[in-house]
Amino acid sequence: GAGVSQSPRYKVTKRGQDVALRCDPISGHVSLYWYRQALGQGPEFLTYFNYEAQQDKSGLPNDRFSAERPEGSISTLTIQRTEQRDSAMYRCASSGAGVNGELFFGEGSRLTVL
Amino acid sequence: SQELEQSPQSLIVQEGKNLTINCTSSKTLYGLYWYKQKYGEGLIFLMMLQKGGEEKSHEKITAKLDEKKQQSSLHITASQPSHAGIYLCGADKYWYSGGGADGLTFGKGTHLIIQP
Repeated sequence: GAGVSQSPRYKVTKRGQDVALRCDPISGHVSLYWYRQALGQGPEFLTYFNYEAQQDKSGLPNDRFSAERPEGSISTLTIQRTEQRDSAMYRCASSGAGVNGELFFGEGSRLTVL
Repeated sequence: SQELEQSPQSLIVQEGKNLTINCTSSKTLYGLYWYKQKYGEGLIFLMMLQKGGEEKSHEKITAKLDEKKQQSSLHITASQPSHAGIYLCGADKYWYSGGGADGLTFGKGTHLIIQP
């Protein structure tokens, strides 16, 4: 697609439910990043992939969070047994080759856990 | 990893006026990135600075990385309503990274409001 696409844009769920957030990066982009942004804060790094390989998952808060990118394109961030503190905007970004620092961000998925 | 402090947290400026936003790190910045976030939208890349003393411009926005590479300033000349939004500075998570390839650490952002 023309830009990074994330779905759903808004997700309201009850505490304890699992949620899956999807990111469709710009076609051909090698790297894909997941960030989480709380209200009034900057984006917080969660994890990233080069192709299908997860390079760094040091930012995932705990083992309820996982991410995959099985075919090196679309990625899914899964949160199991959601808690209220998981409520945030989840942002996906992708980048192509080169080192100019330009990440292309999607519009985000707003998660609200009741 | 880097921790970035942005100042001011928020800024209200009359249209046509100049303004400056600062981003400070306690550690050497090996790559400093400025992004803009419009309310309800994704982040938009503005520019990347790597060398001490480097200055770059994008339309009416100029950013500079100081010689010690611990502070960057972003300056907007003759502000317009289109400049309103949240400005975020980011830095490479690891000193050996480049171009944001291994992910970025962001500051909390500066909210800019332009008054007509």
